[in-house]
Amino acid sequence: GQNIDQPTEMTATEGAIVQINCTYQTSGFNGLFWYQQHAGEAPTFLSYNVLDGLEEKGRFSSFLSRSKGYSYLLLKELQMKDSASYLCAVRGDSGGYQKVTFGTGTKLQVIP
Amino acid sequence: DTGVSQDPRHKITKRGQNVTFRCDPISEHNRLYWYRQTLGQGPEFLTYFQNEAQLEKSRLLSDRFSAERPKGSFSTLEIQRTEQGDSAMYLCASSLAGTAFYGYTFGSGTRLTVV
Repeated sequence: GQNIDQPTEMTATEGAIVQINCTYQTSGFNGLFWYQQHAGEAPTFLSYNVLDGLEEKGRFSSFLSRSKGYSYLLLKELQMKDSASYLCAVRGDSGGYQKVTFGTGTKLQVIP
Repeated sequence: DTGVSQDPRHKITKRGQNVTFRCDPISEHNRLYWYRQTLGQGPEFLTYFQNEAQLEKSRLLSDRFSAERPKGSFSTLEIQRTEQGDSAMYLCASSLAGTAFYGYTFGSGTRLTVV
């Protein structure tokens, strides 16, 4: 099976940098995703890592270490609109099918 | 293309009734997924289609749940004899095989309340 662990809640100040960590255990690892979900809305795709290292997309960066089963999402120059839940999701083997399993999400609150 | 569409947005039903939800994926996407999400939790996998074939169904899903994708386009999810524990947001997502780096595109969801 797959197991994903991420902090439940975080608070950060507008304009600052915040790092949201995710640790995972899975068989047949084949990629890690980060999604953003505003309250009452659907998740939206942020990033995908399948190889070790850092992927940068504007204010958002995501890092992966496969040997450590670890990823983080880095948000720079925080804005109030970044207040949302951030979901870590892992693709791995599940009975011959590559299934994507989501963590419970980290609720980020950005304060002035 | 307007993205993934789900209908209805909200559904309130009495315990014991049957409900059916519809999902229209992005037209060129051949993969379609159903997830369920409760408050404070991440989306939980229910089932997955590639074209019209249902390739995987969660073991957490009871026999009261069934999904179809008859022509490889839209999909329906039916819940029979609803229970209060079925109250959740039901999310549909689609993707194109071989494009994992784009992730899934989710619809806005159907919020089910069983009273």
